[in-house]
Amino acid sequence: GAGVSQSPSNKVTEKGKDVELRCDPISGHTALYWYRQSLGQGLEFLIYFQGNSAPDKSGLPSDRFSAERTGGSVSTLTIQRTQQEDSAVYLCASSLRRGGLDTQYFGPGTRLTVL
Amino acid sequence: DQQVKQNSPSLSVQEGRISILNCDYTNSMFDYFLWYKKYPAEGPTFLISISSIKDKNEDGRFTVFLNKSAKHLSLHIVPSQPGDSAVYFCAAIGAGGTSYGKLTFGQGTILTVHP
Repeated sequence: GAGVSQSPSNKVTEKGKDVELRCDPISGHTALYWYRQSLGQGLEFLIYFQGNSAPDKSGLPSDRFSAERTGGSVSTLTIQRTQQEDSAVYLCASSLRRGGLDTQYFGPGTRLTVL
Repeated sequence: DQQVKQNSPSLSVQEGRISILNCDYTNSMFDYFLWYKKYPAEGPTFLISISSIKDKNEDGRFTVFLNKSAKHLSLHIVPSQPGDSAVYFCAAIGAGGTSYGKLTFGQGTILTVHP
């Protein structure tokens, strides 16, 4: 069975441009999460989706960040007007359902570099 | 506000010896604690977890100890193998409140096991 996949694996962009990062979760997983790891930092929670419930956006660092999940499966994280401090590895994870000990399975990440 | 802390950025151990990775937390609302292992260019992989109602969980060469009164947990790997060399992240999750459903990670510890 396929794991979580993310695309692109690497993205280099210029400051001020918009970027879209894609995540394909494990089939059948209802919960989907976005995290990011900045240089020298731990993983930082950004947003998660659970089924048809409203997403928890409490980790998004600014209103330039948004995410959507279409059809309960694929998710896209969009960063508008990118800044250099947005440079990080963006990781997507999915789990069977939200909360508790439902193991979150991570994708390989997208390394974003903002010049 | 770092709720999960791994104060040792790196650890070097000889093959066959014990590796002890430490983690401290501040949020008493955390209900589960997890360890993830991460190789370069890959997403974190779940390793082992422990519920807050337990003080020990063992899985093969890996044992996690939880000292709830000290808000401290540790991961023991014995015997250590060169393939264990990776970044280890401590993480915590809550069953309710603001920490519900989302992992809070430490900064990670780079473990190097020398042959």
